[in-house]
Amino acid sequence: AQKITQTQPGMFVQEKEAVTLDCTYDTSDPSYGLFWYKQPSSGEMIFLIYQGSYDQQNATEGRYSLNFQKARKSANLVISASQLGDSAMYFCAMREGYYGGATNKLIFGTGTLLAVQP
Amino acid sequence: GAVVSQHPSRVICKSGTSVKIECRSLDFQATTMFWYRQFPKKSLMLMATSNEGSKATYEQGVEKDKFLINHASLTLSTLTVTSAHPEDSSFYICSAGGSTQYFGPGTRLTVL
Repeated sequence: AQKITQTQPGMFVQEKEAVTLDCTYDTSDPSYGLFWYKQPSSGEMIFLIYQGSYDQQNATEGRYSLNFQKARKSANLVISASQLGDSAMYFCAMREGYYGGATNKLIFGTGTLLAVQP
Repeated sequence: GAVVSQHPSRVICKSGTSVKIECRSLDFQATTMFWYRQFPKKSLMLMATSNEGSKATYEQGVEKDKFLINHASLTLSTLTVTSAHPEDSSFYICSAGGSTQYFGPGTRLTVL
């Protein structure tokens, strides 16, 4: 069965520094997608970055990058130059199978609460 | 990214009443939408897959008679919590999209 593990319940980081949020996953399907979402206190889920299992390069989106290590089954999120507005809950999620219809459902990790300190 | 809306954003109701939550895809058509539930300081748990024009698919342990889902059009799915009780109080959030799922802003339900 698929599983997402986030072992860091909370993290502190100084403003302008980089931070890495850990995520490991388990699946027997060779085709899958990995996602990171940000959830501020307002509750909305904001899509940050996506990595497909067949993607050769690590995904990057602005200050966000995904350190994808397939053999280790890890998909860590790296936030560079942290800002105060980055303080939020961060969820790692996985879609199992090639996308389409019901396979677009996501399984979420337990989340990491990031606090950016001035 | 794609825009998904939810209404209402917050609802308070009495125990025993039913509450309907709407999820709309504003700039795209969605044959499939997903409903999640989130308890305070917890992760999102998938409740059901909403399929346009057919029955919803519920995850194990989710009562289909309790959480009625209707996906009558390509842009609208509704979740009705029937005979709500305090234990149904939670944050309900829907998603839609393709390979990347976009989430609505969520609905905070409080049952008194």
